[in-house]
Amino acid sequence: EAGVTQFPSHSVIEKGQTVTLRCDPISGHDNLYWYRRVMGKEIKFLLHFVKESKQDESGMPNNRFLAERTGGTYSTLKVQPAELEDSGVYFCASSHLGRRNTEAFFGQGTRLTVV
Amino acid sequence: GENVEQHPSTLSVQEGDSAVIKCTYSDSASNYFPWYKQELGKGPQLIIDIRSNVGEKKDQRIAVTLNKTAKHFSLHITETQPEDSAVYFCAASKVDKIIFGKGTRLHILP
Repeated sequence: EAGVTQFPSHSVIEKGQTVTLRCDPISGHDNLYWYRRVMGKEIKFLLHFVKESKQDESGMPNNRFLAERTGGTYSTLKVQPAELEDSGVYFCASSHLGRRNTEAFFGQGTRLTVV
Repeated sequence: GENVEQHPSTLSVQEGDSAVIKCTYSDSASNYFPWYKQELGKGPQLIIDIRSNVGEKKDQRIAVTLNKTAKHFSLHITETQPEDSAVYFCAASKVDKIIFGKGTRLHILP
């Protein structure tokens, strides 16, 4: 079974440009999460999809970030326009939907560098 | 708001010795505490977890303890090996949202 896959693995863009990150969760996982780790700090929650609906987007930094999950399968996270402080590693995770917490599987991350 | 504190940020232990990483959480409603290991170039991988109705759990060389009253939980790795070198994250969760600590970089010295 394929794990969570993220694309691209690295992206270097200039300030003001747009970048779109993609996450393909494990097939059948209704929960999909986006997280970000800025260097040396904690892995910070951005948002949570249940199928195609945004369950919790309290961690999204500002309106330059837009996440979508059309059809409840893969998800994209767009940053427009990118700022220097957006640099970091963006992780996607997925898990089964259930009443109890279930294991979240993480992708390898996308390292975003804004110069 | 929800917060997870993790200590130490860096830990070096001699191969064969034990390593202990400690975390505290703020939200008393948290009921699930996973630990993740992140190796270079990879995403975090779950190594062990514990639920709030259990005080201790062990899996080979790894054990976790949970003190719900004090809102403390910790990871113990015994007989450390070179492949244990990585960044370890504790986390606390209620329902489905996971809040992570800042991570501990563990170095196993030869």
